[in-house]
Amino acid sequence: DIQMTQSPPSLSASVGDRVTITCRASEDIKNYLAWYQQKPGKLPKLLISAASTLQSGVPSRFSGSGSGTDFTLTISSLQPEDVATYYCQKYNRAPWTFGQGTKVEIK
Amino acid sequence: EVQLVQSGAEVKKPGESLKISCKGSGYSFTNYWVVWVRQMPGKGLEWMGIIYPGDSDTRYSPSFQGQVTMSADKSINTAYLQWSSLKASDTAMYYCARRSYYDNSGLDHWGQGTLVTVSS
Repeated sequence: DIQMTQSPPSLSASVGDRVTITCRASEDIKNYLAWYQQKPGKLPKLLISAASTLQSGVPSRFSGSGSGTDFTLTISSLQPEDVATYYCQKYNRAPWTFGQGTKVEIK
Repeated sequence: EVQLVQSGAEVKKPGESLKISCKGSGYSFTNYWVVWVRQMPGKGLEWMGIIYPGDSDTRYSPSFQGQVTMSADKSINTAYLQWSSLKASDTAMYYCARRSYYDNSGLDHWGQGTLVTVSS
């Protein structure tokens, strides 16, 4: 099965900083990749589909890029409300594996 | 309004059986996969498997194959996840979610979660 490796496992950044999270697939998944945000005690929320398509209502400071095996989620200017754990997920074919998650905190 | 409404929290003993549900509304149930996701306390999201309600095509994660059974009744827009013999290690929050059968998109709507506690 294809493995999804996310890094870093956690990060601490200041408000206004640019934050980058990476996700690597062990095989080519083209652009069948999604990013989710899960705030403490809340449901996961879909941020990005097809590697770079922002979901309606998601702030434009979030962006996604990549194709094949290497993908990136970028928060251009970190805000206090962005404190959450972020997950990537591949869905080209089953199993639709999630990455291990990246916990984002404010410094 | 799209909604996925899951059945309520359950407290069970090891060895007992359980079936939880996920009812979709506000959309065409057979245009979407239903996805089941486990989240153990303090841990990440685990993809358990998927079912397509149109024909009950089911795919399981190797980690959950043989441990759970997924089913769906398209006549009442409801999907199910069941265990025949629970273990303490099944204690977790279980989410259902939907993903378009046709489009390149992620899991765009989630149920509220069903907390399953297995304890003697």
